[in-house]
Amino acid sequence: AQSVTQLDSHVSVSEGTPVLLRCNYSSSYSPSLFWYVQHPNKGLQLLLKYTSAATLVKGINGFEAEFKKSETSFHLTKPSAHMSDAAEYFCVVSDRGQAGTALIFGKGTTLSVSS
Amino acid sequence: DAGVTQSPTHLIKTRGQQVTLRCSPKSGHDTVSWYQQALGQGPQFIFQYYEEEERQRGNFPDRFSGHQFPNYSSELNVNALLLGDSALYLCASCFNRVCTEAFFGQGTRLTVV
Repeated sequence: AQSVTQLDSHVSVSEGTPVLLRCNYSSSYSPSLFWYVQHPNKGLQLLLKYTSAATLVKGINGFEAEFKKSETSFHLTKPSAHMSDAAEYFCVVSDRGQAGTALIFGKGTTLSVSS
Repeated sequence: DAGVTQSPTHLIKTRGQQVTLRCSPKSGHDTVSWYQQALGQGPQFIFQYYEEEERQRGNFPDRFSGHQFPNYSSELNVNALLLGDSALYLCASCFNRVCTEAFFGQGTRLTVV
């Protein structure tokens, strides 16, 4: 079964400092992995996706993630945090069934950004 | 493009009642999935509809059922509501079940009292 584990429930950074949100995955086949962001009272927005192409994936708003098969990791990074980055972040793996696809979400990491 | 739209945005129901939530997918999408997000948790997959049939189902009881219409819109029905059904219900749409890029609606906040 596919699963993801987000290693930190809460990460706090100062504005202008780097962001690292950690995610490990478990998959019985080559996975499709995603990071989604959820701002308060808003829907989920796709930040970036990995689907077996380049292992370093660039997303929106300066975020990127690196797929490391040997470490079964897909950590999300950003060089310099902005106040508007404060939100809930979800690491997600795609579970391909016989007739459809489910997205399996981690429990989320709350990112706080202080000035 | 209106994206994925869900209605209503908020709903309050009593235990034992039944509820219907609605979703219109993003233009060009033919697949709709439903997720339940309890407070402080990640979304959990309920089921996926494609070509008006349920194609994949998560670990949810039969009280949760759905429907997809010829225009690809979808409904989620929950019978015999329990307090534990209180959650944000999210609809996601994609193309042809593959969902390498799913778009989510803003959700329906259901409160069961």
